[in-house]
Amino acid sequence: KQEVTQIPAALSVPEGENLVLNCSFTDSAIYNLQWFRQDPGKGLTSLLLIQSSQREQTSGRLNASLDKSSGRSTLYIAASQPGDSATYLCALNMRFGAGTRLTVKP
Amino acid sequence: EAQVTQNPRYLITVTGKKLTVTCSQNMNHEYMSWYRQDPGLGLRQIYYSMNVEVTDKGDVPEGYKVSRKEKRNFPLILESPSPNQTSLYFCASSLVGFAGTEAFFGQGTRLTVV
Repeated sequence: KQEVTQIPAALSVPEGENLVLNCSFTDSAIYNLQWFRQDPGKGLTSLLLIQSSQREQTSGRLNASLDKSSGRSTLYIAASQPGDSATYLCALNMRFGAGTRLTVKP
Repeated sequence: EAQVTQNPRYLITVTGKKLTVTCSQNMNHEYMSWYRQDPGLGLRQIYYSMNVEVTDKGDVPEGYKVSRKEKRNFPLILESPSPNQTSLYFCASSLVGFAGTEAFFGQGTRLTVV
């Protein structure tokens, strides 16, 4: 059974900082990995989708990488802004980690 | 607009009173699923459906039923709700199952069972 772990559970950074969110998984037999954003009281919004054959995806200030051999994915956020404050979740084959709650302070 | 629509958004009910949470998508997606989200536990999958008339249990199916009679709808049924089913519920859909397609989520249904 796939286990997905996200560390840290919460992160607080000053505006402008570059940051990395981590996601680890136990089963390398994956079809895809997705990173989602969830704002309080709202649904999930897909940020980036990495297919099994890919190593990374980029969208604006976001870059996600996938290393199946080590069972890890990272979400890199460049030049963070207060509007980036949200919970970020990774999902392997639609199985989710518990998320990292990010706060970006002005 | 492409979307997944859940209803109701908020629901308070009493133990044992049957209820249905509806989910509809307008993107002709084959795959639909239900999750519950609880503090500290993240999203856990309840049921999923790879296509019409095909449903499978997720990680926490006990106490829930689903049906997929048509492609766009995937209702979640609680035959006899209990307080431990108090949670935030999400419906999701994607074009094709797990195989590398973007997933879309509804806005959530906050259920309280008293």
